[in-house]
Amino acid sequence: NAGVTQTPKFQVLKTGQSMTLQCAQDMNHEYMSWYRQDPGMGLRLIHYSVGAGITDQGEVPNGYNVSRSTTEDFPLRLLSAAPSQTSVYFCASGLLTSGRPGELFFGEGSRLTVL
Amino acid sequence: AQSVTQPDIHITVSEGASLELRCNYSYGATPYLFWYVQSPGQGLQLLLKYFSGDTLVQGIKGFEAEFKRSQSSFNLRKPSVHWSDAAEYFCAVGAGGSYIPTFGRGTSLIVHP
Repeated sequence: NAGVTQTPKFQVLKTGQSMTLQCAQDMNHEYMSWYRQDPGMGLRLIHYSVGAGITDQGEVPNGYNVSRSTTEDFPLRLLSAAPSQTSVYFCASGLLTSGRPGELFFGEGSRLTVL
Repeated sequence: AQSVTQPDIHITVSEGASLELRCNYSYGATPYLFWYVQSPGQGLQLLLKYFSGDTLVQGIKGFEAEFKRSQSSFNLRKPSVHWSDAAEYFCAVGAGGSYIPTFGRGTSLIVHP
């Protein structure tokens, strides 16, 4: 059972380049989300989705785009990379449980450096 | 909106010593509470959660946490720490009607041999 798979694990970009971080889960979870982790800042929610075709913004959505065409996949797109987007990105998924948060399952992270 | 505070950025303990990591939350109703652990270079893994019922909850790897409504706290404890427990620990709080937990900034646990 693969769980939540993120690719790539490491990426270096130049300012202004675009790229997509991939996230796939094989647990049939309705809920998927993207976080960024920065030193001293904990985890900050970028975007989330509660099902195919449904996405919404989190705490820090600017500069990022998402889509959810299938239950399994939730890619995160950086439209024009900036040094401030240097971070470790985590994808997480979970079951939707009757109006409360449930356990989240995390990928191993993608470390992005923007020069 | 809910919020969570982890007052300690770093905690250092000796192997075999007891451990308590602090977590304080702010939320008007009964919260949904979680502790996650992040080993170096890895994603987060759920240690334990509290939704209702017994205020002392047991988790994986020998950890436990106690929900104290009067103190708005959900502290994580372990009676004897192992070197493999060195990691980052995150407390998270969720509210009824929302799927989205709010994470604290984390506490880094350092274990001395």
